[in-house]
Amino acid sequence: GAVVSQHPSWVICKSGTSVKIECRSLDFQATTMFWYRQFPKQSLMLMATSNEGSKATYEQGVEKDKFLINHASLTLSTLTVTSAHPEDSSFYICSATGTSGGRSYNEQFFGPGTRLTVL
Amino acid sequence: GDSVTQMEGPVTLSEEAFLTINCTYTATGYPSLFWYVQYPGEGLQLLLKATKADDKGSNKGFEATYRKETTSFHLEKGSVQVSDSAVYFCALKIADKLIFGTGTRLQVFP
Repeated sequence: GAVVSQHPSWVICKSGTSVKIECRSLDFQATTMFWYRQFPKQSLMLMATSNEGSKATYEQGVEKDKFLINHASLTLSTLTVTSAHPEDSSFYICSATGTSGGRSYNEQFFGPGTRLTVL
Repeated sequence: GDSVTQMEGPVTLSEEAFLTINCTYTATGYPSLFWYVQYPGEGLQLLLKATKADDKGSNKGFEATYRKETTSFHLEKGSVQVSDSAVYFCALKIADKLIFGTGTRLQVFP
């Protein structure tokens, strides 16, 4: 099956610093990647959708200058939280759809998530 | 707007008990419906899906039927196991976007 990994699995940073989260597709080419944010006891909220080589499309209310998304290759997308503040503390999850060897993966495959804590 | 409502947990059951996790949805179009499962420390995995009214999705003993008249997609399993302990998310997909419920934690004890 299709496997998506995230790194790091957790990170603690000081307020005002920037944090980069990586999302990788391990055995397929991820033409589209999705970034979600999950608050405790709440559902996953889609932040943005990115297609390889294109600018990300952000959902309403998500600050594109704060949450920088790069999808420069078919196996890697990054989310950078710039000038992080305590309210940015959350669980960030990525997912991907794509292809491998002619087979299409139209359903989203999810990474295990990254817990960000901003002090 | 489009949304998913599922029952709050945790749901606590003994092994071999019957499971129902309720899920209802609101959608302006004709969504596909999904159940995802998240085991501890792992990413969400697709458990089952249904793409149109009256379809039944099934996998690993779990099943759910797309009920358009009641806008529901309840998850059921006849006999749960300890290994089924996880968080279950109901979701709908419309215009290639997934909209999730808040998740229901299932705890199964021997």
